[in-house]
Amino acid sequence: SQKIEQNSEALNIQEGKTATLTCNYTNYSPAYLQWYRQDPGRGPVFLLLIRENEKEKRKERLKVTFDTTLKQSLFHITASQPADSATYLCALDDNNAGNMLTFGGGTRLMVKP
Amino acid sequence: ETGVTQTPRHLVMGMTNKKSLKCEQHLGHNAMYWYKQSAKKPLELMFVYNFKEQTENNSVPSRFSPECPNSSHLFLHLHTLQPEDSALYLCASSQELAGGEGVIQYFGAGTRLSVL
Repeated sequence: SQKIEQNSEALNIQEGKTATLTCNYTNYSPAYLQWYRQDPGRGPVFLLLIRENEKEKRKERLKVTFDTTLKQSLFHITASQPADSATYLCALDDNNAGNMLTFGGGTRLMVKP
Repeated sequence: ETGVTQTPRHLVMGMTNKKSLKCEQHLGHNAMYWYKQSAKKPLELMFVYNFKEQTENNSVPSRFSPECPNSSHLFLHLHTLQPEDSALYLCASSQELAGGEGVIQYFGAGTRLSVL
């Protein structure tokens, strides 16, 4: 069955450093991968989408890579700020249904001033 | 705001109560979803509606009953719930990207449900 793994341990970094979060998947051949941000008590908010034929995507301080050979995506936040503290979820399209996504468990990022 | 509104934000109910969660989207999307999010677990998809028709029921117990009267509104009717049903219930809507290259989902803020 399809499986997505994100590091369940919180990632603690110092303000100004680059945060790198990992999303690994198995038994999947996704056409695209997405990253969402979720703050406590709120729903996830879409950040970036990267397609299977794209190696890298950038948006302001965010960068996502997608390696379909390793079955892995990396999510980078450069020059991190305390306001970046949140849980970040990766999501992949479901092979069997075009408008459905499967979400990973998320990684909590804490950026300390 | 994401354009998806959920009410109530918080709900406490006993196991014998009947209550309903409401979701409304102002984005003109064609698909709506209910998810359950429990502590330390990934989002669990419960139901999917496309153009008001239910297209997915992810083996959800019958004590959860969805209703989609139109493309903008989605309800989740609750009855005889169990304490393990306590969780954050999230509604989302989506529209397909141009060229059929996937969907982006827009979430409401959720209803925090506690079953006593």
